[in-house]
Amino acid sequence: NAGVTQTPKFQVLKTGQSMTLQCAQDMNHEYMSWYRQDPGMGLRLIHYSVGAGITDQGEVPNGYNVSRSTTEDFPLRLLSAAPSQTSVYFCASSSWTGINEKLFFGSGTQLSVL
Amino acid sequence: DAKTTQPTSMDCAEGRAANLPCNHSTISGNEYVYWYRQIHSQGPQYIIHGLKNNETNEMASLIITEDRKSSTLILPHATLRDTAVYYCIVSDHLANFGNEKLTFGTGTRLTIIP
Repeated sequence: NAGVTQTPKFQVLKTGQSMTLQCAQDMNHEYMSWYRQDPGMGLRLIHYSVGAGITDQGEVPNGYNVSRSTTEDFPLRLLSAAPSQTSVYFCASSSWTGINEKLFFGSGTQLSVL
Repeated sequence: DAKTTQPTSMDCAEGRAANLPCNHSTISGNEYVYWYRQIHSQGPQYIIHGLKNNETNEMASLIITEDRKSSTLILPHATLRDTAVYYCIVSDHLANFGNEKLTFGTGTRLTIIP
């Protein structure tokens, strides 16, 4: 299993550009989520999904859109990039068996918005 | 979810046991204690979790006090590869589907000294 795969690893955008961060998992996990991590800070939850067709907002959802058309994929869209969105983005997934499954994280996407 | 308090940083000699404390004085009866770590800029990695009993796995041991207001993560024989930021998190899995409400603070930066 590849686990959680994020692409790209690095991205530089100009203010106002749009882009999609990709996240895919091959573990058949129901739950997927996106976090952002700013320098010297912890991770903050952006959006999450508990299954295909179901998404919800986390702590910092503004400026980001998500959709979940398949179990495997959970892309994060930046509609109009802003310098405040410069951060490292992590995707995570987890199964749900009712017994506190652990989160599996991708290796991250480092995004710079100029 | 209850908040946690961790020291900002700690050092430990290589080969010694690393004991990382965490205070969660407002923890409720349904909340579990989770530990994750983040090595350099990688995605966080699950270590261990528990409710009220002490837990041990191949990576670490988790000691939870009887009143559940604090816990200690123990890395029995620290190596240089254990240098990382360690996050202590409490979450009520009954209220939260899967782990989507895990809130990562700033954690403890553990440095293993050769």
